[in-house]
Amino acid sequence: DVVMTQSPLSQPVTPGQPASFSCRSSQSLVHSHGDTYLNWFQQRPGQSPRRLIYKVSNRDSGVPERFSGSASGTNFTLKISAVEAEDAGVYYCMQGTHWPYTFGQGTKLEIK
Amino acid sequence: EVQLVESGGGFVQPGGSLRLSCAASGFTFSSDSMSWVRQAPGKGLEWVSDIGGSSSVIYYADSVKGRFTISRDNAKKSLYLQMNNLREDDTAVYYCASGGGQQWGQGTLVTVSS
Repeated sequence: DVVMTQSPLSQPVTPGQPASFSCRSSQSLVHSHGDTYLNWFQQRPGQSPRRLIYKVSNRDSGVPERFSGSASGTNFTLKISAVEAEDAGVYYCMQGTHWPYTFGQGTKLEIK
Repeated sequence: EVQLVESGGGFVQPGGSLRLSCAASGFTFSSDSMSWVRQAPGKGLEWVSDIGGSSSVIYYADSVKGRFTISRDNAKKSLYLQMNNLREDDTAVYYCASGGGQQWGQGTLVTVSS
């Protein structure tokens, strides 16, 4: 199985400051037809997960522009340009290239 | 508006069975792959099973293979998960999700305990 490793496990951020989430995959996530199925999900306390980013860098409908995704090889990054209070929660990366699809362990974003 | 509504969760003893359902609306159900993802209490997310739009492609996590069966009824816009021989480590909130996790339901809690 592809292992997804996220860091840090927790980060406290002051509103208005940037935040960055890292995710590393144990193998290439480039699918045989060329796409890279790396998604980012946000889970606010008590809520269902919500997809923010699909295929590395594509924002889902309704996701604020302050969220962005990027990749370098098997290293993936989610960035929030300026954190808002509503961004508190756990952020998961997930690979959908190789079955079984796998998630990282999550990074908890705490608002100071 | 896309909606996914799960039902069928509950309390069951080890070795028992449950059938989860997910009612979909607001999108072309038959065109989308559908999935079940679970989250044990206080833990992270685990992708359990996936089914293609025509049911021709089905995947299971090793942890549930041989015990769980995913199915769908495109005419009824519904997704199902038949769970047999349940174990205590199957205790979790079970979510249905569409299109690679684009949309999620609110989840249904399955508790397996003696």
